[in-house]
Amino acid sequence: EIVMTQSPATLSVSPGERATLSCRASQSVSSNLAWYQQKPGQAPRLLIYGASTRATGIPARFSGSGSGTEFTLTISSLQSEDFAVYYCQQYNNWPLYTFGQGTKLEIK
Amino acid sequence: EVQLVESGGGLVQPGGSLRLSCAASGFTFSSYWMSWVRQAPGKGLEWVANIKQDGSEKYYVDSVKGRFTISRDNAKNSLYLQMNSLRAEDTAVYYCARDTAAGTLDYWGQGTLVTVSS
Repeated sequence: EIVMTQSPATLSVSPGERATLSCRASQSVSSNLAWYQQKPGQAPRLLIYGASTRATGIPARFSGSGSGTEFTLTISSLQSEDFAVYYCQQYNNWPLYTFGQGTKLEIK
Repeated sequence: EVQLVESGGGLVQPGGSLRLSCAASGFTFSSYWMSWVRQAPGKGLEWVANIKQDGSEKYYVDSVKGRFTISRDNAKNSLYLQMNSLRAEDTAVYYCARDTAAGTLDYWGQGTLVTVSS
């Protein structure tokens, strides 16, 4: 099983600043990595797939990078609506998937 | 507009059974893999199972193998999850999601809560 580890567990950032979230895989997943955003009481929303491709309708302030075992989600200038929990997901082991435990992005 | 609406959740005793349904609309259901993902209260996401377009392939996370069965009815645009021998640790919100078969889950329902408790 591929284990996904996200850090930090909680990130406190001020609106307008940059946020950088990390995701590490226990073995290489190539670029088969996605990022999701989940707000309280809502379903997750796909943000990024293929490690760096934004999903339809996702603002350009969201960007993803990395390959192999190390990945980063960057939000360039935080808006109020961006404070949420973010999950990474590997699909290199398709059709079996695993998620990271999540990073909570909170207002500083 | 793609819509996924789950139903069938509720309170069940340990060892009991429950069948979840997911009604799909706004896309050609029979052209997509579909997945179930769950989220225990206050916890992260856990992929549970997925199924190929024609139902010929099904995959499960180890913790539910032999207890849960995923199925679909393309004529009814519906996805199902039969859950047997339920345990307290199966308590979660269960989401159905469209599976792109490239590996990403691009549309999700709002979820249905399953509580396993005596």
